[in-house]
Amino acid sequence: AQKITQTQPGMFVQEKEAVTLDCTYDTSDPSYGLFWYKQPSSGEMIFLIYQGSYDQQNATEGRYSLNFQKARKSANLVISASQLGDSAMYFCAMRRTGGGNKLTFGTGTQLKVEL
Amino acid sequence: DAGVIQSPRHEVTEMGQEVTLRCKPISGHNSLFWYRQTMMRGLELLIYFNNNVPIDDSGMPEDRFSAKMPNASFSTLKIQPSEPRDSAVYFCASSFTEQGTEAFFGQGTRLTVV
Repeated sequence: AQKITQTQPGMFVQEKEAVTLDCTYDTSDPSYGLFWYKQPSSGEMIFLIYQGSYDQQNATEGRYSLNFQKARKSANLVISASQLGDSAMYFCAMRRTGGGNKLTFGTGTQLKVEL
Repeated sequence: DAGVIQSPRHEVTEMGQEVTLRCKPISGHNSLFWYRQTMMRGLELLIYFNNNVPIDDSGMPEDRFSAKMPNASFSTLKIQPSEPRDSAVYFCASSFTEQGTEAFFGQGTRLTVV
């Protein structure tokens, strides 16, 4: 069974600072993908970044990077140069690779960016 | 592409009534997911389909819930009879099944059962 754990229910960061949102996972599958989504107050789910379990390098997408530590089963999201618009709920998710597998989400972290 | 389209965006219904939520996935996607989001339980996977076939419905709360995918471009989630505890935001998402592909979400349906 897959399990995603996000231990930070809420985080605060000052504008222009970097912030790390934690995510750990548990799986016995050798091949899987890890995802981060953003959910602003308007409610939509926005895909941010993906990391494959066999990828040699950490994924980056603009100001987002994923600190992937496979041995520790962690996939933390790093947001650099925080902006007020980054205030939102952030979800970590995992999906076993192969055909038609489910996408399992963590409980989320509410990020608040302050002036 | 218009993205994943869900309807209605908002639904208010009385307890005991039947509710049908609709989803049109992105053309070409062969996986479809139904999620429910509440403050108490977070984002729960209810059921997912691969190539129109239900693969895992273990998240469906009880027999009052049913989901269908009659073709690759349409899915429904039905609640009959509805109860106040079913009030939540219901999301539909679709994706390719291949490795490294993210799921794209619809805007969600906010259901209120009174």
